[in-house]
Amino acid sequence: EAGVVQSPRYKIIEKKQPVAFWCNPISGHNTLYWYRQNLGQGPELLIRYENEEAVDDSQLPKDRFSAERLKGVDSTLKIQPAELGDSAVYLCASSLWTRSNTEAFFGQGTRLTVV
Amino acid sequence: TQLLEQSPQFLSIQEGENLTVYCNSSSVFSSLQWYRQEPGEGPVLLVTVVTGGEVKKLKRLTFQFGDARKDSSLHITAAQPGDTGLYLCAGVGGSNYKLTFGKGTLLTVNP
Repeated sequence: EAGVVQSPRYKIIEKKQPVAFWCNPISGHNTLYWYRQNLGQGPELLIRYENEEAVDDSQLPKDRFSAERLKGVDSTLKIQPAELGDSAVYLCASSLWTRSNTEAFFGQGTRLTVV
Repeated sequence: TQLLEQSPQFLSIQEGENLTVYCNSSSVFSSLQWYRQEPGEGPVLLVTVVTGGEVKKLKRLTFQFGDARKDSSLHITAAQPGDTGLYLCAGVGGSNYKLTFGKGTLLTVNP
């Protein structure tokens, strides 16, 4: 079974440019997460979806970040315009979430460099 | 906001040594997970602990959940170079069952 697929793996852009990341979760997983991970740090949650509904977006910088999960499957995360401080690894994860099962499966991430 | 503090932040040891890393919080979690992350990869789940005082073993790794469900530890016996990686604890808690990560412990096991 395929795991969580993210693309692109790497992206280098100039500041003020837009960028988008794509995530295809594990088939059947109802929950999808976007995390941001800075070098040497743990992942920080940006947004969590339950099916197509964003149930936690409190940490998403809404002035420049947006996300969508079409039909409760694939998801895209967009930054417009990008800033130097946005350089990080953006991780997508999915889970078949229940109160007794919260295991998250992660993709390989997209490493964004803003120059 | 539920915060998880991990210690130590960095650990470099020789092959064969034992080590313990800690994950502490002032908040109570319904469950706590440990992940290992290798360079260029996403975190991979090692274990989930749910019950206060619970101990789980995974080969040379022993995980313990504190009685009050606020802290956890990971003990590795006879570490091997293949154990090298970033060890992350993550707690599930709050009214929306949010999964919150600590900053991680970067372990290097030298041959």
